[in-house]
Amino acid sequence: DGGITQSPKYLFRKEGQNVTLSCEQNLNHDAMYWYRQDPGQGLRLIYYSQIVNDFQKGDIAEGYSVSREKKESFPLTVTSAQKNPTAFYLCASSVPGGFYGYTFGSGTRLTVV
Amino acid sequence: KQEVTQIPAALSVPEGENLVLNCSFTDSAIYNLQWFRQDPGKGLTSLLLIQSSQREQTSGRLNASLDKSSGRSTLYIAASQPGDSATYLCAVVSGTYKYIFGTGTRLKVLA
Repeated sequence: DGGITQSPKYLFRKEGQNVTLSCEQNLNHDAMYWYRQDPGQGLRLIYYSQIVNDFQKGDIAEGYSVSREKKESFPLTVTSAQKNPTAFYLCASSVPGGFYGYTFGSGTRLTVV
Repeated sequence: KQEVTQIPAALSVPEGENLVLNCSFTDSAIYNLQWFRQDPGKGLTSLLLIQSSQREQTSGRLNASLDKSSGRSTLYIAASQPGDSATYLCAVVSGTYKYIFGTGTRLKVLA
């Protein structure tokens, strides 16, 4: 079945540590997105990529980095520069422009310990 | 700048009731609108997608309508069940080609 796989489901980060969240899709979608969700707030866009080897900053990109070397994969690195990384992270994919809707993964919950 | 608002933020209803969730957006030039369901600690599950040229979409007990001129969409849930308890999110795609999400309506259906 086609879909998006995010891993791990739970991730714990120590102060000053970089961690990488995985997002893989087999939907043959060109576009991929990373969102952050905090309690009581809507989804906020971190980074997005409309095509391989290209990506753009979203609304809250500071402290995060991404790569898009393969169509199927869009990993997100939470760097030590992100001062408040505890949140629920969601990855999505779509055809370019999102005209036929987004498909989401099941999310990764990141906690700073 | 597109803004999406969902009212009410939370709703509690008895089982069997028909209910309406509201979504409003400030820029009527949208390409589509999508309704999602999110269970606690889970990802988003797509419920209905309405293209800009469409007025409504139906799936089972769910019906979503779109009125671009007034900047509104409604999600109608018929004969609600406890299993419908979740947070419902709407999102729109407009000129930036990225989804803008509302903050959601948290629904609880009481048995």
